[in-house]
Amino acid sequence: NAGVTQTPKFRILKIGQSMTLQCTQDMNHNYMYWYRQDPGMGLKLIYYSVGAGITDKGEVPNGYNVSRSTTEDFPLRLELAAPSQTSVYFCASSYPPGAGATEAFFGQGTRLTVV
Amino acid sequence: EDQVTQSPEALRLQEGESSSLNCSYTVSGLRGLFWYRQDPGKGPEFLFTLYSAGEEKEKERLKATLTKKESFLHITAPKPEDSATYLCAVPEETSGSRLTFGEGTQLTVNP
Repeated sequence: NAGVTQTPKFRILKIGQSMTLQCTQDMNHNYMYWYRQDPGMGLKLIYYSVGAGITDKGEVPNGYNVSRSTTEDFPLRLELAAPSQTSVYFCASSYPPGAGATEAFFGQGTRLTVV
Repeated sequence: EDQVTQSPEALRLQEGESSSLNCSYTVSGLRGLFWYRQDPGKGPEFLFTLYSAGEEKEKERLKATLTKKESFLHITAPKPEDSATYLCAVPEETSGSRLTFGEGTQLTVNP
């Protein structure tokens, strides 16, 4: 049971380079999320999606882009990497909320360093 | 703005020494409160969901409780393998899905 899978696990980028962080889930969850976590801080929401073809900004979207062409995949694109984007990135997925919220399941993270 | 505050930032316990972690929140109309465990270099692992004041949930040495303003994660007779960062999160008031996370409590249990 794979759950949420992120690739790569580690990456070093030079300032101005671009890259895509991959995320795929096999739980048939409609909702998917991208968070970043800086040292000693909680997770901050970058973008989220409530289904294929639908995405929306979270708390810290600047410098990132996303797309959602399938239920399974939710890639995160960094167009012009900056040192401020050095962080650990987590992808997560969940069922839609009902009367109450539903728990999100997280991937193992991508540790990105921009130099 | 929804806020989630966890205390203490760090907690060091001896094996077998019980204690509690706190998570206070300001969102009204709470639609759930989540506790996660995060090991170094790993993603958060789901522990509990609490939906209403007075609710309690248990898993091994952990028990989570909820009031109208805060949640506690009680750790009874902890073991070194309970060492981790514990995160709490609540959904934004206007969304049932976007989570606001606290900064976590880093727990270390010494043998």
